[in-house]
Amino acid sequence: NAGVTQTPKFRVLKTGQSMTLLCAQDMNHEYMYWYRQDPGMGLRLIHYSVGEGTTAKGEVPDGYNVSRLKKQNFLLGLESAAPSQTSVYFCASSYTAGEGYGYTFGSGTRLTVV
Amino acid sequence: GQSLEQPSEVTAVEGAIVQINCTYQTSGFYGLSWYQQHDGGAPTFLSYNGLDGLEETGRFSSFLSRSDSYGYLLLQELQMKDSASYFCAAHSGNTPLVFGKGTRLSVIA
Repeated sequence: NAGVTQTPKFRVLKTGQSMTLLCAQDMNHEYMYWYRQDPGMGLRLIHYSVGEGTTAKGEVPDGYNVSRLKKQNFLLGLESAAPSQTSVYFCASSYTAGEGYGYTFGSGTRLTVV
Repeated sequence: GQSLEQPSEVTAVEGAIVQINCTYQTSGFYGLSWYQQHDGGAPTFLSYNGLDGLEETGRFSSFLSRSDSYGYLLLQELQMKDSASYFCAAHSGNTPLVFGKGTRLSVIA
């Protein structure tokens, strides 16, 4: 079982470049999330989706856009990368937002913006 | 706003017991989860407490007290492979999880 797959795993961008991070899940989960993780900051929510065709802002949405055109895929876009966006990005999915259901995380994308 | 507080670092001896505390301030709170993350890896779900009391899963147990806005993760018979970061996370309403900043556990021989 693949679970949650993120591509790419590593990327170096120059300031001002754009890129898209892809997240795919094969568990038929309705909910998908993008978090970023920085040293000492824990996991902070960027955007999330409660179902196909829906998106919503999280705690730190500025500089990012997302799309959920298909239930199994959740894309995170950086239109004009900045050094402050250097981070590890994790995608996660869950069956519901309700109690007892853990999130399944992808292995992460390590992004460096120079 | 929503916030969770947990110690940044804990060190314990192999074979011992360690407790990682988490206090939270969230509106619409209904449960607390714990995740484990090894260096370079992804967070993995460990446990969930929706009711007050202790939940046990093998060597790991998790506790919740709603009246004290407090929970903890208890790790028994510590092994070197338990060295990792542990995150508490609050479930509130129908919104995504809010995570604490994590506790880095170092298990020493």
